Amino acid sequence: GAGVSQTPSNKVTEKGKYVELRCDPISGHTALYWYRQSLGQGPEFLIYFQGTGAADDSGLPNDRFFAVRPEGSVSTLKIQRTERGDSAVYLCASSFEGLDTDTQYFGPGTRLTVL
Amino acid sequence: AQSVAQPEDQVNVAEGNPLTVKCTYSVSGNPYLFWYVQYPNRGLQFLLKYITGDNLVKGSYGFEAEFNKSQTSFHLKKPSALVSDSALYFCAVSAWGLTGGGNKLTFGTGTQLKVEL
Repeated sequence: GAGVSQTPSNKVTEKGKYVELRCDPISGHTALYWYRQSLGQGPEFLIYFQGTGAADDSGLPNDRFFAVRPEGSVSTLKIQRTERGDSAVYLCASSFEGLDTDTQYFGPGTRLTVL
Repeated sequence: AQSVAQPEDQVNVAEGNPLTVKCTYSVSGNPYLFWYVQYPNRGLQFLLKYITGDNLVKGSYGFEAEFNKSQTSFHLKKPSALVSDSALYFCAVSAWGLTGGGNKLTFGTGTQLKVEL
């Protein structure tokens, strides 16, 4: 079956601009996660959705970052007033129920470059 | 707070030889441990996980991992390495979120495996 998909695969923007990154999870997965991976580092947790609600947003670095999942499937990560330090690969993952034993399946990521 | 350490930035091994990629963890409560592999310009692919039961876990592509509670380790192993195994490997631990549940993963910094002919 289809895996997690993310669009765009690459996004180049200028400092101060607004960007949206999209994630389409595996069909039937109720849990969705966003992570950020900086160069040479492991992924770092940003936010977790269970259904339509953000159950844990403790990883969002500041209020420029926001994410939605209005219908409990596709999610959009939104970054306002982008800064050069936001440059990273943004990874989305989904799992069946969000249990701590569930396997998370990752998408290919969106590489964001802020000039 | 939970944490994962991968002490080796890079591991080099000859094709056909056994390989080990090391991982140690720190977590309160039951540890749920995962290994993922990342090929260039691609997302993370799940290899295997330890939840409970047998300390030796078998996963995809001939990989296995040994859970050792007393040493708080979860080393990834393969009896005979292939050149195609060359990639970046991440160990991760799952922790039940402090707010609202959900298993956010905490990752190590990754180990680059290079298998040479």
